[in-house]
Amino acid sequence: LAKTTQPISMDSYEGQEVNITCSHNNIATNDYITWYQQFPSQGPRFIIQGYKTKVTNEVASLFIPADRKSSTLSLPRVSLSDTAVYYCLVGGDNAGNMLTFGGGTRLMVKP
Amino acid sequence: EPEVTQTPSHQVTQMGQEVILRCVPISNHLYFYWYRQILGQKVEFLVSFYNNEISEKSEIFDDQFSVERPDGSNFTLKIRSTKLEDSAMYFCASSGRQGALSEKLFFGSGTQLSVL
Repeated sequence: LAKTTQPISMDSYEGQEVNITCSHNNIATNDYITWYQQFPSQGPRFIIQGYKTKVTNEVASLFIPADRKSSTLSLPRVSLSDTAVYYCLVGGDNAGNMLTFGGGTRLMVKP
Repeated sequence: EPEVTQTPSHQVTQMGQEVILRCVPISNHLYFYWYRQILGQKVEFLVSFYNNEISEKSEIFDDQFSVERPDGSNFTLKIRSTKLEDSAMYFCASSGRQGALSEKLFFGSGTQLSVL
């Protein structure tokens, strides 16, 4: 599994766009980039997944540069309810079924 | 959106006792997982299960742990003789196909296990 590095914490204010960048320098050709969100005392929740370029869904956008050595999760116009821990995971089917969570980025959205 | 259901939400037990944590995965899913999270720490993989067999397990999943799918809907985690360090939030998850990192996993809300 590719090692990932992301900021330990970030602060933002309601209505702002938040960008969380994850570094994964040793990403393999078959690896996907997946982001999960976790609220206190709840299980992680899938947000978005991508392989290259840009992916957008109703919750977030994921930007992946051509070299795929990093990725940026973009949350548009955050609200207080977006306060959570965000995890970047990198790996492919050859990693089996074992998701490995790092420490994540603790996002605090302030009023 | 479909949900993974876990019961109980909280479980308190005495050290050395057996506990069974229960999960109802999403109905058409075929791959099942248990994870745990000790307070303030990372989410850790325990075990994956497919076709009535363990697919993978971590070093945490020792002989004190076992999993079972006793019927068509439930998936259970048993800890035979609980230790203080087993205190954690235990999450069940399921997915529709193999390849956890290319497939969306659905997690339950967890069972908070407290071993006294």
